[in-house]
Amino acid sequence: KAGVTQTPRYLIKTRGQQVTLSCSPISGHRSVSWYQQTPGQGLQFLFEYFSETQRNKGNFPGRFSGRQFSNSRSEMNVSTLELGDSALYLCASSLRGTGEETQYFGPGTRLLVL
Amino acid sequence: AQRVTQPEKLLSVFKGAPVELKCNYSYSGSPELFWYVQYSRQRLQLLLRHISRESIKGFTADLNKGETSFHLKKPFAQEEDSAMYYCARPHPGGYNKLIFGAGTRLAVHP
Repeated sequence: KAGVTQTPRYLIKTRGQQVTLSCSPISGHRSVSWYQQTPGQGLQFLFEYFSETQRNKGNFPGRFSGRQFSNSRSEMNVSTLELGDSALYLCASSLRGTGEETQYFGPGTRLLVL
Repeated sequence: AQRVTQPEKLLSVFKGAPVELKCNYSYSGSPELFWYVQYSRQRLQLLLRHISRESIKGFTADLNKGETSFHLKKPFAQEEDSAMYYCARPHPGGYNKLIFGAGTRLAVHP
């Protein structure tokens, strides 16, 4: 089975712009979660989608949003970028998203905001 | 607040030495707990989980409910074990919301 894929792998943006990141889960997986990884804050949960519905959201401002499509692919969007949004954004997928399942992570999208 | 604490940022050992990476969690019921590992230039991947009670790559972890700990151990470290290790647990609210510890970098020297 192909693993979780994320595009693009690297992105450079300037403050005030917006960005869209994409995640394709493992085939058959219906739950997709997003995490932000920074040296200072570590790995922080952004949100989780299952069957096109957001089921859980972390403590991030409304500038961070996401969606999931009927084929389980997911996108996250960050509007009005700030310098502090520079991070590695990881997505992870699992079959049903029960919390006790193993999550399989993608390679991440590294976002640099200048 | 639900927390996962990894007190050591860096653990440096010599090849063949025993390793223990510490993880403590805030108590909330009977948790599932995970250890994830991130090797250099590789993606984050599951190393082991409490519920399966497996030994992966020689690593084991025992849940101690009294001490709310889930320390990761290996009797003889290898150079290829050098990586970032993250302890994690699901948020009690359910679904795939993992709470991660800050991570411990394990450096195994020859």
